[in-house]
Amino acid sequence: AQSVTQPDIHITVSEGASLELRCNYSYGATPYLFWYVQSPGQGLQLLLKYFSGDTLVQGIKGFEAEFKRSQSSFNLRKPSVHWSDAAEYFCAVGGENKLVFGAGTILRVKS
Amino acid sequence: DAGVIQSPRHEVTEMGQEVTLRCKPISGHDYLFWYRQTMMRGLELLIYFNNNVPIDDSGMPEDRFSAKMPNASFSTLKIQPSEPRDSAVYFCASSLNQGKHEQYFGPGTRLTVT
Repeated sequence: AQSVTQPDIHITVSEGASLELRCNYSYGATPYLFWYVQSPGQGLQLLLKYFSGDTLVQGIKGFEAEFKRSQSSFNLRKPSVHWSDAAEYFCAVGGENKLVFGAGTILRVKS
Repeated sequence: DAGVIQSPRHEVTEMGQEVTLRCKPISGHDYLFWYRQTMMRGLELLIYFNNNVPIDDSGMPEDRFSAKMPNASFSTLKIQPSEPRDSAVYFCASSLNQGKHEQYFGPGTRLTVT
């Protein structure tokens, strides 16, 4: 069965600092991997996705993620965080069956 | 495209009342998902449909919950009777494929049962 672990419940970074949110997955075959962002009171918005090919994928809002098969990881990164990036971030893995989401990481940005 | 549309955005009801949540998926998407989000349990998949047919309802918590998809452009999630522990945000999402394509989420319905 698929599973996703986001080990950090909360992360606080200073505006302008770099960001890395961790995601580890468990899936027997080649996974389809996603990162979503949820702002307060909003639905989930897709940031980026990985299906195959280049293991470094670019997304919206300046985010990128790197798929590392050997580590079963799909970490999300941003070189310089903006105050508007404060939100909750969800990693998800999909395959032949349903999409499975991690518990989410809440990002706080301090000025 | 207008995206996934959900109504109502907010619902406050008393325990024991029937609640119906509505969803219009993105046109052309043949998968529709219902999720529930709470602080304690996070994002839970309740049920999903493919071509209007329920495929997996193992996440539906109790018989009080039921979902239908009478056509490709409309789905409902009904709770009867509602209980305070049903208070949550309910999301509808649609996609072209259940695992291989991104899901597009609606804005959610915040349900409060008093």
